[in-house]
Amino acid sequence: DTGVSQDPRHKITKRGQNVTFRCDPISEHNRLYWYRQTLGQGPEFLTYFQNEAQLEKSRLLSDRFSAERPKGSFSTLEIQRTEQGDSAMYLCASSRYENEQFFGPGTRLTVL
Amino acid sequence: GQNIDQPTEMTATEGAIVQINCTYQTSGFNGLFWYQQHAGEAPTFLSYNVLDGLEEKGRFSSFLSRSKGYSYLLLKELQMKDSASYLCAVKSNDYKLSFGAGTTVTVRA
Repeated sequence: DTGVSQDPRHKITKRGQNVTFRCDPISEHNRLYWYRQTLGQGPEFLTYFQNEAQLEKSRLLSDRFSAERPKGSFSTLEIQRTEQGDSAMYLCASSRYENEQFFGPGTRLTVL
Repeated sequence: GQNIDQPTEMTATEGAIVQINCTYQTSGFNGLFWYQQHAGEAPTFLSYNVLDGLEEKGRFSSFLSRSKGYSYLLLKELQMKDSASYLCAVKSNDYKLSFGAGTTVTVRA
């Protein structure tokens, strides 16, 4: 399977802990996106990378959130001092062209 | 801001046709996407419209009217496996998608 992959698929953590998620995009896709989805809602844009450059970061991302794509390939999303409101599905997508975005299976975060 | 509206739920019978409407008011427009999402799974790409008109792809068709801020997704010959959430998303610039809350379609035998 050469689709977008995300790890882990599920993460349960206690409030106040730090968590890190990984996304591996489809090979040769230079564009990478992070979204967050809560139950009953559509995904919300978090951030966008073109190659290794982070071109936009949503105001939804507080200072506790940071994303990197150091070599223009895989990306990580870190949440520091997690809060119960951070519980959601974190989705990664990648694309080569503007008229597409292919989503990975997501990481479901539960903060207790 | 972005405002994207679609019905919350729709129910249809196997073999029938269902049309899911989406209206949008966004600060920019650079294309409209439709995605299918089964419960607990990632969204799967269905269609992309950037010009006015109808795009047909097998049992699924998508229509766009930019002047009216309106799109619809047409699902024909419904199958049980089509029961899912259907998401309308507008690309407001080169990369950012703004999604509606999704329409849950239930297909009954």
